Amino acid sequence: ETGVTQTPRHLVMGMTNKKSLKCEQHLGHNAMYWYKQSAKKPLELMFVYSLEERVENNSVPSRFSPECPNSSHLFLHLHTLQPEDSALYLCASSQTTPGLATYEQYFGPGTRLTVT
Amino acid sequence: GQQVMQIPQYQHVQEGEDFTTYCNSSTTLSNIQWYKQRPGGHPVFLIQLVKSGEVKKQKRLTFQFGEAKKNSSLHITATQTTDVGTYFCAGYIQDTGRRALTFGSGTRLQVQP
Repeated sequence: ETGVTQTPRHLVMGMTNKKSLKCEQHLGHNAMYWYKQSAKKPLELMFVYSLEERVENNSVPSRFSPECPNSSHLFLHLHTLQPEDSALYLCASSQTTPGLATYEQYFGPGTRLTVT
Repeated sequence: GQQVMQIPQYQHVQEGEDFTTYCNSSTTLSNIQWYKQRPGGHPVFLIQLVKSGEVKKQKRLTFQFGEAKKNSSLHITATQTTDVGTYFCAGYIQDTGRRALTFGSGTRLQVQP
């Protein structure tokens, strides 16, 4: 059903670990997004990449570092996370235009992250 | 800041009853989109409304976009257990150049068989 895949699906990491989340879209879209979903804040936009350029960074702590090497792949590098960073991390993609993007977003299944 | 609010946060209905969730923005939206997230799943796109006053239907679901393009609603007629999930509205804030959707807080629907 979904053209957006995410790995791993589940991740448990200690506060001193370094890990990366991977997202891949097979839809030919030119914009990709990272969202954080937790019980307290249902859908928080973290980063937006349009045409491989980061166009939005919503005051996310530097312990989260995104990377978009091409229009099909998106990474979220994690280091020295805190327990409150435990959440579902969702990747999404969409088609965008040079002006305001108006197309629907396709979400991946998410990575359930637990920080111990 | 610019926000998109949804009410109610949670609703529990008996199967067969109707359900409505409302979405309100503090600023004008270019368009409004609705998503459904089943328990344990990810948000899935349902529909997009673009025109002022637009109404669209998908079987038992009716979507409306307000005349001022600041509010929207989703109405489900005769709910079924398959309607269980969280419904999110999302919109592009007009005239900001922001290239990302602003999501509402969501309404979680529980349907009692």
